[in-house]
Amino acid sequence: DAEITQSPRHKITETGRQVTLACHQTWNHNNMFWYRQDLGHGLRLIHYSYGVQDTNKGEVSDGYSVSRSNTEDLPLTLESAASSQTSVYFCASSDQVAQETQYFGPGTRLLVL
Amino acid sequence: RKEVEQDPGPFNVPEGATVAFNCTYSNSASQSFFWYRQDCRKEPKLLMSVYSSGNEDGRFTAQLNRASQYISLLIRDSKLSDSATYLCVVNPEESQGNLIFGKGTKLSVKP
Repeated sequence: DAEITQSPRHKITETGRQVTLACHQTWNHNNMFWYRQDLGHGLRLIHYSYGVQDTNKGEVSDGYSVSRSNTEDLPLTLESAASSQTSVYFCASSDQVAQETQYFGPGTRLLVL
Repeated sequence: RKEVEQDPGPFNVPEGATVAFNCTYSNSASQSFFWYRQDCRKEPKLLMSVYSSGNEDGRFTAQLNRASQYISLLIRDSKLSDSATYLCVVNPEESQGNLIFGKGTKLSVKP
């Protein structure tokens, strides 16, 4: 069965370190998204991609970057982790036909000390 | 004004009760609307789409009022398994699936 996975599921890191969160989908979806979810804020879009070599900034992109070298993967990099980036990160994907149905990964809980 | 607003709840209801959630959106050009469900410490999942004519899926009924810019979700005969957070979601325009999520309404169904 097609799926979307994230790794690691839990991560503790220190302020200033570079961290990369992986997202892999086997739906063959063109569209991929990264969100963070915090109490009181709901889901906020960080970056998104409509296809290979395409990346776009979302609402809260500062301090984050993504790259899309193939259809299946959209890794999210925190260039220099800050305590404000402690959050739950969700990756999602959708296809071009049913663009509005997003399938979410299980999430990564990141703690920045 | 926030783009999508919901009452955060929690709504605490007994099994078998009927409960309704509302959501308002600010962009009158919004094209399509959804309810997602998120269980505690899990990822969001699509519950149902919302159409102008209203739509029903078993015990769940969703309605859209474009004139007043609000969306509703009605759950009849609540089950314990309905306990979750319900996210109101809007596609603000033809934006290739960039959805705007509300903060969610928490529902707790008690025995």
